[in-house]
Amino acid sequence: QVRLQESGPGLVKPSQTLSLTCTVSRDSIYSTTYHWNWVRQSAGKGLEWIGRIHTSGITNYNPSLKSRVAISLDTSKNHFSLKLISVTAADMATYFCASNIEGRPYLNYWGQGTLVTVSP
Amino acid sequence: ETVMTQSPVTLSVSPGERATLSCRASQSVSGNLAWYQQKAGQAPRLLIYEASTRATGIPARFSGSGSGTEFTLTISSLQSEDFAVYYCQQYNNWPYTFGQGTKLEIK
Repeated sequence: QVRLQESGPGLVKPSQTLSLTCTVSRDSIYSTTYHWNWVRQSAGKGLEWIGRIHTSGITNYNPSLKSRVAISLDTSKNHFSLKLISVTAADMATYFCASNIEGRPYLNYWGQGTLVTVSP
Repeated sequence: ETVMTQSPVTLSVSPGERATLSCRASQSVSGNLAWYQQKAGQAPRLLIYEASTRATGIPARFSGSGSGTEFTLTISSLQSEDFAVYYCQQYNNWPYTFGQGTKLEIK
């Protein structure tokens, strides 16, 4: 089964860019038609779906974040990435990567999550 | 967006008893609803999808029901490992949205 692991800086300054990577193991990022997702969890907003990228490269973003977010695939490293620009304290959260099989939009594989703090 | 509202916020139940958790959608999500369990410091774990289908490896004491806007997760006989936070999530309308969670605690 797919295993996912988030990585990236745990501290980001306000107005800067949050960048996280999710490394996929035990399967190729292209071997099956998956959606690769980013979800975050904060005390203030609970669980929030940030967006997803299909194996084909097509993306869907939460409208609340669409102007600031980008999700991409890196085929050479078998991982996918999240970039969130112009962060504020409201973006402080635990960020999870997760996957689902196309046509089954419930998240059955999750990374362990990584806490991102936004502070000067 | 579709707002998911869970009740109660906290539920206190004794081990061995039955727990019933509710989830309401602000608009119909048909049967496109999942339930997750989350323990402290862990990622959510998929329990139920399509409102009533148990995910792989989930014990039969977990069951889901409902359609449209009203859904229920029932745990028939609580075990010690079941005390956690439970979330519903709709995947009928983008953006997919979660409820705020129900904390199931030991009475």
